[in-house]
Amino acid sequence: AQTVTQSQPEMSVQEAETVTLSCTYDTSESDYYLFWYKQPPSRQMILVIRQEAYKQQNATENRFSVNFQKAAKSFSLKISDSQLGDAAMYFCAYRGGATNKLIFGTGTLLAVQP
Amino acid sequence: EAGVTQSPTHLIKTIGQQATLRCSPISGHTSVYWYQQALGLGLQFLLWYDEGEERNRGNFPPRFSGRQFPNYSSELNVNALELEDSALYLCASSPRMEGQGPQFFGPGTRLTVL
Repeated sequence: AQTVTQSQPEMSVQEAETVTLSCTYDTSESDYYLFWYKQPPSRQMILVIRQEAYKQQNATENRFSVNFQKAAKSFSLKISDSQLGDAAMYFCAYRGGATNKLIFGTGTLLAVQP
Repeated sequence: EAGVTQSPTHLIKTIGQQATLRCSPISGHTSVYWYQQALGLGLQFLLWYDEGEERNRGNFPPRFSGRQFPNYSSELNVNALELEDSALYLCASSPRMEGQGPQFFGPGTRLTVL
């Protein structure tokens, strides 16, 4: 069975600094997607970034980028120039196979200090 | 483009009652997913509907059920409510046969069982 592990329950970063959130996963599938979702206090789950496993190039969305290491089954999220609005719970998620479901990590609560 | 909508925002029930939660997907999306986010248990996949059919089910008892209507909206029913059913219930949607792309989430329904 596939699993997703986020080993950092909480992280803190100063405004304008850079922070990296870690995620590892386990799977025997070769074709899958990985995602980072953000859940602010409003509870709305917002897609931050996606990565297709077959693509070697790391995905980037403005201030957000990933470091995808397929052999190591690692998928970290880097947030550059952190802003107060980035404060939220961040979930790493895996989607693969025929089940179509998302498998989530336990989340990392990110605090941004002014 | 309107996002995924869910109703009600909050729902308070007592043990043994039934709860009905509703979800409208993004226009053009035919797949609807339900997730439970319970304190201490993280995000867990409940159900997947596509084209009116239940396609996959998570590890939940049969008292969790649902359906998808011809307009692709969906209902989640929870019968014989237990205290442990108190959670945030998130609905997500995606286009049919999009492969392993992202799912887009609604704001959730907070179910409280007293």
